[in-house]
Amino acid sequence: GESVGLHLPTLSVQEGDNSIINCAYSNSASDYFIWYKQESGKGPQFIIDIRSNMDKRQGQRVTVLLNKTVKHLSLQIAATQPGDSAVYFCAESQGGSQGNLIFGKGTKLSVKP
Amino acid sequence: EPEVTQTPSHQVTQMGQEVILRCVPISNHLYFYWYRQILGQKVEFLVSFYNNEISEKSEIFDDQFSVERPDGSNFTLKIRSTKLEDSAMYFCASTAMTGGTEAFFGQGTRLTVV
Repeated sequence: GESVGLHLPTLSVQEGDNSIINCAYSNSASDYFIWYKQESGKGPQFIIDIRSNMDKRQGQRVTVLLNKTVKHLSLQIAATQPGDSAVYFCAESQGGSQGNLIFGKGTKLSVKP
Repeated sequence: EPEVTQTPSHQVTQMGQEVILRCVPISNHLYFYWYRQILGQKVEFLVSFYNNEISEKSEIFDDQFSVERPDGSNFTLKIRSTKLEDSAMYFCASTAMTGGTEAFFGQGTRLTVV
């Protein structure tokens, strides 16, 4: 039978270029946001996080930008490498009593050598 | 580097059978979670567990599901009577604190119900 599932947005970039992956989150009460990378057949792997009292955070080759006004999150990857090819999910949560993450749909990043 | 481990990596079961998925969270973590991911779809929260009780659960986590921490290291998810739609990747995760901290995920158990 025909399989039913989400068709992931796909971003295709050339090796060495910068990548920008976007995410719209749902809950204005969320105050903690994470980007995860998921390679085929593996669990989500933490990349970078940001709290709602910040609008930018940098890691090694990655930067996360948070715009609370429009509930938008982005992940910038500098000098994208073939090993960066994966599905990228943003996730949100509320601090305090809740620890569960609400994941976005995901974006598939393909890096062409 | 500490990691969350899950067993088995793949479980095939007949519809109506009970399955137990096992997880060993990171040793000094206090909060434990189960998530599932149906093929091609996003990761969905099932349940969180702290201090030997469920702290939150989603609509997916109905009476067919239960969790347990039978000893100081294992954290299990039991599905009492599996249905075809329970086929998915099941991920265990743990955090040192609640909310606002990095969740570490296991590699997942692929459950196939036939």
